[in-house]
Amino acid sequence: AIRMTQSPSSFSASTGDRVTITCRASQGISSYLAWYQQKPGKAPKLLIYAASKLQSGVPSRFSGSGSGTDFTLTISCLQSEDFATYYCQQYYSYPWTFGQGTKVEIK
Amino acid sequence: EVQLVESGGGLVQPGGSLRLSCAASGFTFSSYWMHWVRQAPGKGLVWVSRINSDGSSTSYADSVKGRFTISRDNAKNTLHLQMNSLRAEDTAVYYCARVLIPSSNSVPFDYWGQGTLVTVSS
Repeated sequence: AIRMTQSPSSFSASTGDRVTITCRASQGISSYLAWYQQKPGKAPKLLIYAASKLQSGVPSRFSGSGSGTDFTLTISCLQSEDFATYYCQQYYSYPWTFGQGTKVEIK
Repeated sequence: EVQLVESGGGLVQPGGSLRLSCAASGFTFSSYWMHWVRQAPGKGLVWVSRINSDGSSTSYADSVKGRFTISRDNAKNTLHLQMNSLRAEDTAVYYCARVLIPSSNSVPFDYWGQGTLVTVSS
């Protein structure tokens, strides 16, 4: 199985900050990479797919980049509603796998 | 409006069985591959199983292979997960999820249900 490793596992940030989360795949996955946001008690929400394509309805402050094994999710100007846990996911090969999650907390 | 509503979760003893259902509405269910994803309490997301649009092809995580069976009833717009020989480590919220593009495999999930909690304990 392809292992997805996110960093950091958690961090604190302030509203207005620019934040970046990284995700590394244990083998090349081309651009078959998605990012999800999950808030407590809720289902995940798709933010980015194909590494850099913004899902419909997602604010443009979210962006994704990368291909192969290294990927990033950037939030250009953190808003209060962005404090959540973020997961990357590869859908290049089965079993589809997720990163362990990155929790973004309020500083 | 796309809706996915899971049901069937609950408390079951180790070795027992449960059948989860996911009722779909607001889209052409028979056109979409569907998946189950689970999340143990306080833990991350884990892919469990998938089924293609007509039900002829399935895949499973190694941890559930031989114990869980995914199926669908396109006439009733319903996805199922039959879970047998349940273990404590199967305790999780189980989500059904739809893929982004109809008739496509290599695309992520765009809609998720609210989840149903399965607790395996004596």
